[in-house]
Amino acid sequence: AQTVTQSQPEMSVQEAETVTLSCTYDTSESDYYLFWYKQPPSRQMILVIRQEAYKQQNATENRFSVNFQKAAKSFSLKISDSQLGDAAMYFCAYRPGVGQLTFGSGTQLTVLP
Amino acid sequence: DADVTQTPRNRITKTGKRIMLECSQTKGHDRMYWYRQDPGLGLRLIYYSFDVKDINKGEISDGYSVSRQAQAKFSLSLESAIPNQTALYFCATSDESGRGAYEQYFGPGTRLTVT
Repeated sequence: AQTVTQSQPEMSVQEAETVTLSCTYDTSESDYYLFWYKQPPSRQMILVIRQEAYKQQNATENRFSVNFQKAAKSFSLKISDSQLGDAAMYFCAYRPGVGQLTFGSGTQLTVLP
Repeated sequence: DADVTQTPRNRITKTGKRIMLECSQTKGHDRMYWYRQDPGLGLRLIYYSFDVKDINKGEISDGYSVSRQAQAKFSLSLESAIPNQTALYFCATSDESGRGAYEQYFGPGTRLTVT
């Protein structure tokens, strides 16, 4: 069974600074996808960024980027120029090419003004 | 209007009661999912459905049942609710008709409390 580990239950960052959230996963698959979801206090699950394992280039979406280290099975999320609206619970998720989504336990991000 | 809706948004019920959570979607997706979220555990898959005639158990299906009444509707039932089923429940959909990273689209969640 695949597992997804987020070792940082809580993180904080100063507004306008950069923060990196960690995620590791365990799989024997070669074809898979990785995701970061954001859950603000409204509790809505919002996709932040996705990465296909076959792509070597790290995905970026505006201030959000990932560091995908396939050999190390690591998928960290970097948030640049943090804003108050970035405060949320962040979930890393893994999905094999054929199969279902598995979530990590989440990292609660606080943005300090 | 929201693409994935859930009713009710909040519910308090008593131990032993039967309760149904409903999910509807206007995205035209074939696949629908039910997850529960508990603090410190992330989201865990309860049931998923590829189409009206194809329903599958997820990681934590015990104590739950589902019904796919139509492509757009997927209901989750707790036949006899117990306190440890107190959680936040999410419905999600996805379209996997082509190749790619299949994003799941989530409803707003239902907060269920069993007393």
